[in-house]
Amino acid sequence: DAGITQSPRHKVTETGTPVTLRCHQTENHRYMYWYRQDPGHGLRLIHYSYGVKDTDKGEVSDGYSVSRSKTEDFLLTLESATSSQTSVYFCAISEVRGADEQFFGPGTRLTVL
Amino acid sequence: AQTVTQSQPEMSVQEAETVTLSCTYDTSESDYYLFWYKQPPSRQMILVIRQEAYKQQNATENRFSVNFQKAAKSFSLKISDSQLGDAAMYFCAYRSRGGSEKLVFGKGTKLTVNP
Repeated sequence: DAGITQSPRHKVTETGTPVTLRCHQTENHRYMYWYRQDPGHGLRLIHYSYGVKDTDKGEVSDGYSVSRSKTEDFLLTLESATSSQTSVYFCAISEVRGADEQFFGPGTRLTVL
Repeated sequence: AQTVTQSQPEMSVQEAETVTLSCTYDTSESDYYLFWYKQPPSRQMILVIRQEAYKQQNATENRFSVNFQKAAKSFSLKISDSQLGDAAMYFCAYRSRGGSEKLVFGKGTKLTVNP
């Protein structure tokens, strides 16, 4: 298994509070991604990174920010959590472009009350 | 923008039988990649099989094979000799060659395997 961990694995928070999710990899892969999974929607890309301090938006980036100060860590921040951000969040990594697969972390279940 | 459609929200199959999961996609690109991912109840996303659009030969991985019809923009997954451990959500995904690295996922098909 690819070395990807996510923390926390579960979190319950209240509307309006800031939340940061962490993705940590030990594979030294260049690309890192944040997806959210919601029933009836599959997985949708929030943000991704193609190198340290290099990030770009995905299709559902509103309300989220990311940072990558080290190759191994990719942080996802909800500045002011809303109930619509209740979801399961997955981090993924990949080394090169093309048909190489993305390896996924175990997911974080976030509930915003 | 590319879209991926899985028209079967749920499917069931008897153990040892064969089942086919459907996936269609919409794109104006000629070169791309297609994937099937499996998500068991543990939530871990696991790559099942991949296909490069420029390859005419259908990909196979043990009991898993695809029927890739490029002109029809269809990418179905066939699972032969179904096993109880195959029960999971299956997601079809599209990825452009070059440019954005994002995977575009379908909404998934829940596969139940009956003993």
